[in-house]
Parts: sequence; C-alpha cells; structure tokens
Amino acid sequence: DSGVTQTPKHLITATGQRVTLRCSPRSGDLSVYWYQQSLDQGLQFLIQYYNGEERAKGNILERFSAQQFPDLHSELNLSSLELGDSALYFCASSVGAGGVADTQYFGPGTRLTVL
Amino acid sequence: GNSVTQMEGPVTLSEEAFLTINCTYTATGYPSLFWYVQYPGEGLQLLLKATKADDKGSNKGFEATYRKETTSFHLEKGSVQVSDSAVYFCALSSSGSSNTGKLIFGQGTTLQVKP
Repeated sequence: DSGVTQTPKHLITATGQRVTLRCSPRSGDLSVYWYQQSLDQGLQFLIQYYNGEERAKGNILERFSAQQFPDLHSELNLSSLELGDSALYFCASSVGAGGVADTQYFGPGTRLTVL
Repeated sequence: GNSVTQMEGPVTLSEEAFLTINCTYTATGYPSLFWYVQYPGEGLQLLLKATKADDKGSNKGFEATYRKETTSFHLEKGSVQVSDSAVYFCALSSSGSSNTGKLIFGQGTTLQVKP
C-alpha cells in the first residue's frame, strides 16, 4: 500500500458525459501528479500540482482539467468524454516539487470506461 | 525531447533464469532513472532508482546501473521467480530548469515466469 488513495476504482459512463476522479496523496506529500495509461499511448504524464499551484503540464486535453485543494487532495475533471478517453488514470504523490531525491508513489488507479 | 525506449515484450522465462530488460534513454541534463513494476490489477510500485551516473539501484534482487556513456539503465535479476511476473516500466525524471518531477515512461515490458 503506497498511501495514495484514488476513488472511484471503476467508472463506466457514456460519451459526452463529465466525470471527476479524486486523489488523496500520502500524508506530508505536497505534489500530486496525474497520469493516463492507455493501450495505444502507454503511460503519459498529464499534469502536476504542487502545494495548490499548477507546476507542470503534459499532454492534457483541453477537455480535461484538474485542481489541488487546500487539504492537498486533487481532482481530475474529464468532460465531453469520447471513446478514446477510456483508460486507467493514475495519481501519484511526492514530498517536493521534483528533483533528484523526490520519489513518486502511485495510487491504485481509476479505470474509466466510456461507452 | 526526452524519451525512454524499452525492449519489446513479452519476455518469457523459466523460474531461476537470468533476467535482463533493456532500457535506453534520451535526455538533456542529468536525469534520474527509475524502474517501476505493475502487478496484474495494481498500480505502479517503485522498484529501484538511480540519480547520477554510475549509481547502482537495487531492490528485491533486482539491479540496474546508470550508464551515462551508453545512456542505458538495464534491469537485471539473477534468478527470477513466478511471483516476478508483471509489467516493468523504465522511466526518467529530468532535472531541467522547470524543477518538475514529471516522469517519462517507456512502453513497458511484460515478464512471464513459468514454473
């Protein structure tokens, strides 16, 4: 158990809908990262928040957004869902903003299925 | 840009065989290098890491050495067990100027160990 929790574990929805994925980082960690794992794209970095502020952005679609709240949990919002958004979404957390000693710990993931 | 290339899988071995999974990278600066493992139905777990050239990361019998001259970080284990069956991901985190810990992953290599 990494100490990172994600809810829900599974999510099934229809095209065009909007969903929210939630992540609680390990106690004491200030950074939250979101990654998408799909069969065709592999594991891709989406976005990082550090202590409530956006720190880095990767290949995140404009239909997707995220935020980190004062209690440091984070939510990833996916809207106007398409079939191709079906994937496993991982959250990871780390103590710092990044750097040689900063290790990321991953949650169990949320499996999103868009029908 | 930064990238990681892993050997194609699946890799199928008999129990107690020697394992090598090749990983090479392209990066500016001095990245940190990681191996993560994903067991069926689970999230990613950090297996080992190395933060500078010639460092050797090791854990649970697995080893990998950061070779800057060949830009490689190959994963090895002297004697695999059935319980090592999983998907292995090589990843890098580039120090850069943006000071973000975002990870760039290889495509993953599936290991199957048969009794």
